[in-house]
Amino acid sequence: SQELEQSPQSLIVQEGKNLTINCTSSKTLYGLYWYKQKYGEGLIFLMMLQKGGEEKSHEKITAKLDEKKQQSSLHITASQPSHAGIYLCGFLNSGGYQKVTFGTGTKLQVIP
Amino acid sequence: AAGVIQSPRHLIKEKRETATLKCYPIPRHDTVYWYQQGPGQDPQFLISFYEKMQSDKGSIPDRFSAQQFSDYHSELNMSSLELGDSALYFCASSLGTSGPTGELFFGEGSRLTVL
Repeated sequence: SQELEQSPQSLIVQEGKNLTINCTSSKTLYGLYWYKQKYGEGLIFLMMLQKGGEEKSHEKITAKLDEKKQQSSLHITASQPSHAGIYLCGFLNSGGYQKVTFGTGTKLQVIP
Repeated sequence: AAGVIQSPRHLIKEKRETATLKCYPIPRHDTVYWYQQGPGQDPQFLISFYEKMQSDKGSIPDRFSAQQFSDYHSELNMSSLELGDSALYFCASSLGTSGPTGELFFGEGSRLTVL
């Protein structure tokens, strides 16, 4: 979706390294989802951010929402092979039923 | 905890055939969404239902139809299948509210292959 741009498109890191994935929206964000997907498998919910400046963490993954800049970043600390997969950000449309539009995804590989 | 259940997980059909995918939302969730993900692409929203009524419509072809039943499960019916319909079809559920709150949980997906 061109409404949501993710960068980088792919990333290869050494195990133990930190990394950041960015998600930029061309529209006002009412909410921002982060999902992880293994190839050909379901989307695993990571976290949802709703307020500007909000920051959430789950294990070694931290996500922030900059509402003014219409951006979100996902940061992984001390990456592990289990972090490998495709990370998708999705924004919440302004409608009342939580339809999520997804970004293009970032493919992460972690080399042991 | 119970998750979103989709069936079948894999389906192989010939061109011009019909396929039906089923989705069973998380208990008490009243909103269901269908997404289509082509190879190497991001999930594209097809259609959603809230309390058995269509609530939103995305890029769903006219050959496709869907509905939500009284027990909140949903079915996506696809007719006159084309090669380009080969994709991973996701169902997601949430507790519908009047505002953008709540989490959206996805099923494992149904992989449709059209030969």
